[in-house]
Amino acid sequence: AQKVTQAQTEISVVEKEDVTLDCVYETRDTTYYLFWYKQPPSGELVFLIRRNSFDEQNEISGRYSWNFQKSTSSFNFTITASQVVDSAVYFCALSYSSASKIIFGSGTRLSIRP
Amino acid sequence: DTGVSQDPRHKITKRGQNVTFRCDPISEHNRLYWYRQTLGQGPEFLTYFQNEAQLEKSRLLSDRFSAERPKGSFSTLEIQRTEQGDSAMYLCASSLALGEYQYFGAGTRLSVL
Repeated sequence: AQKVTQAQTEISVVEKEDVTLDCVYETRDTTYYLFWYKQPPSGELVFLIRRNSFDEQNEISGRYSWNFQKSTSSFNFTITASQVVDSAVYFCALSYSSASKIIFGSGTRLSIRP
Repeated sequence: DTGVSQDPRHKITKRGQNVTFRCDPISEHNRLYWYRQTLGQGPEFLTYFQNEAQLEKSRLLSDRFSAERPKGSFSTLEIQRTEQGDSAMYLCASSLALGEYQYFGAGTRLSVL
């Protein structure tokens, strides 16, 4: 079965704290893609990152970083020095090379308190 | 590049009525997708077009749902005889190639009374 699990339904932290959003995926394909999307209150899904299954190198983009570990089937997302503008629902997602659809997790609602 | 646009943004209808939504993808994207998102859940795949060909449909897409992309550009999603369970956000996305990240529109929020 292909599945994405985001066990953290809601997280609330105070501004400037670091926060990690967990993502665990299941797939039998050897080639696949992992994504993170952000959905702010306006509703539009904003692409953050795509990783293919052959690239386990961690990535940092400003305050955002991603940790991809095939051994644990995890693709976690860390926000360093969080800001109020980071408040949103974050979705982890999976796509296969042979399929067209993206399978989304149920999302983690992140609230950053001033 | 004006992004993916969807129209209308909100639709309120009575049960049993038909509704149609429109999606205009990014102009050079030949792949177009429809998803449905209910409250507190992630988007769920409905259907997918490559150019004008509808290549995949989810089991979620009942007989009351039909999608078209007549000239390989914009797409329409029609729901006939709407039911209260159809209330959701309907999202459209487009991409250049399989596995590439999909750009999403702001969605059409449907409320069936």
